Amino acid sequence: AQKITQTQPGMFVQEKEAVTLDCTYDTSDQSYGLFWYKQPSSGEMIFLIYQGSYDEQNATEGRYSLNFQKARKSANLVISASQLGDSAMYFCAMRERDTGNQFYFGTGTSLTVIP
Amino acid sequence: NAGVTQTPKFQVLKTGQSMTLQCAQDMNHNSMYWYRQDPGMGLRLIYYSASEGTTDKGEVPNGYNVSRLNKREFSLRLESAAPSQTSVYFCASSEVLADEQYFGPGTRLTVT
Repeated sequence: AQKITQTQPGMFVQEKEAVTLDCTYDTSDQSYGLFWYKQPSSGEMIFLIYQGSYDEQNATEGRYSLNFQKARKSANLVISASQLGDSAMYFCAMRERDTGNQFYFGTGTSLTVIP
Repeated sequence: NAGVTQTPKFQVLKTGQSMTLQCAQDMNHNSMYWYRQDPGMGLRLIYYSASEGTTDKGEVPNGYNVSRLNKREFSLRLESAAPSQTSVYFCASSEVLADEQYFGPGTRLTVT
């Protein structure tokens, strides 16, 4: 079974609008961390936001927020007020802490911001 | 600070050749990682090093070896390259395993 599932291969959003990128995960660990990374066309991986499994509040970092629904095992990324520079691949990732510190990435969602 | 650096940026190997990918970080991080990125598959963890002196297998370790030379450097070796190892390789580091990772620029490797 896939550890991280990103079901949206490509998304489009109008500039200044908000967009939600979906991510579901599969783990039996009680302690784990969830991450989102951005990969622009230049290829580098940029950390965006982190959510711990025991964190009760949803994480926020500027225009990025993580909609964490533990019972549904989902960790969707919300980007508010989209900008042209947000066009990139976005990867959801999970680190399992109880069973061997493995780190898993999803297959990514390509976001295009339309002017 | 340079962050995470990787050498080389590009490499072409023939099947059966060996090579070492180098990675260094100047952030005094304890943990370091090697990933490969293939089209449509996201990143997959090859090996990681939680701290100096330790290394552990990730999801796809077969065909690779690693060395944590010191706190700064973590190298990835392909002993006998195969076309299936054609990929983009990323090195990353984090202060500890729980933290967000900082990535290098990647090495594009082609095995013919």
